[in-house]
Amino acid sequence: AQKITQTQPGMFVQEKEAVTLDCTYDTSDQSYGLFWYKQPSSGEMIFLIYQGSYDEQNATEGRYSLNFQKARKSANLVISASQLGDSAMYFCAMREGGSGSARQLTFGSGTQLTVLP
Amino acid sequence: DTGVSQDPRHKITKRGQNVTFRCDPISEHNRLYWYRQTLGQGPEFLTYFQNEAQLEKSRLLSDRFSAERPKGSFSTLEIQRTEQGDSAMYLCASSFDSTLKAEAFFGQGTRLTVV
Repeated sequence: AQKITQTQPGMFVQEKEAVTLDCTYDTSDQSYGLFWYKQPSSGEMIFLIYQGSYDEQNATEGRYSLNFQKARKSANLVISASQLGDSAMYFCAMREGGSGSARQLTFGSGTQLTVLP
Repeated sequence: DTGVSQDPRHKITKRGQNVTFRCDPISEHNRLYWYRQTLGQGPEFLTYFQNEAQLEKSRLLSDRFSAERPKGSFSTLEIQRTEQGDSAMYLCASSFDSTLKAEAFFGQGTRLTVV
């Protein structure tokens, strides 16, 4: 089973509007972290926001907020007041709290967001 | 420190040739990761170093792949006898620790094309 599922290969949003990018995850760990990264065409992965599994409040970072619904295992990213510079690929990722030392990130397949003028 | 840097940014090679990529992590980060990203997909974990010790390897890392981090600073990823299926973006990331919320800082990647 996929650990991270992003069902929207592409999304369009009008400039200044809000947009929600969907992410569902699958883990048997009680302790885990969820991340969103932005990848512009230049290739680097830019960290946007983090949500821990035990965090009671939804994370917010400027125009980014994370709609965390633990029972549904979803961690949707909300971008408010979209800007043209937000056009990029967006990845949801999870770090599980298991015994492995690496604790690497597991990524979804991404959503290509295009902001229209 | 300007972040994680990777060299080269692009590499075109003929099938069967060996290639080597370099990653310079953020200096105070002792955790270093290599990921591979194919077109239209998210990055996939390849291997992990804590200081100079390679502690985990994905089954994606075939025998043709080898990674080193000799002095616990920069790392190299070598692919021997390249195949067309090796064409991908190779991303390096570093982090200060491996706590759940540790932010992984990524380089801009090396895009490999095998012709």
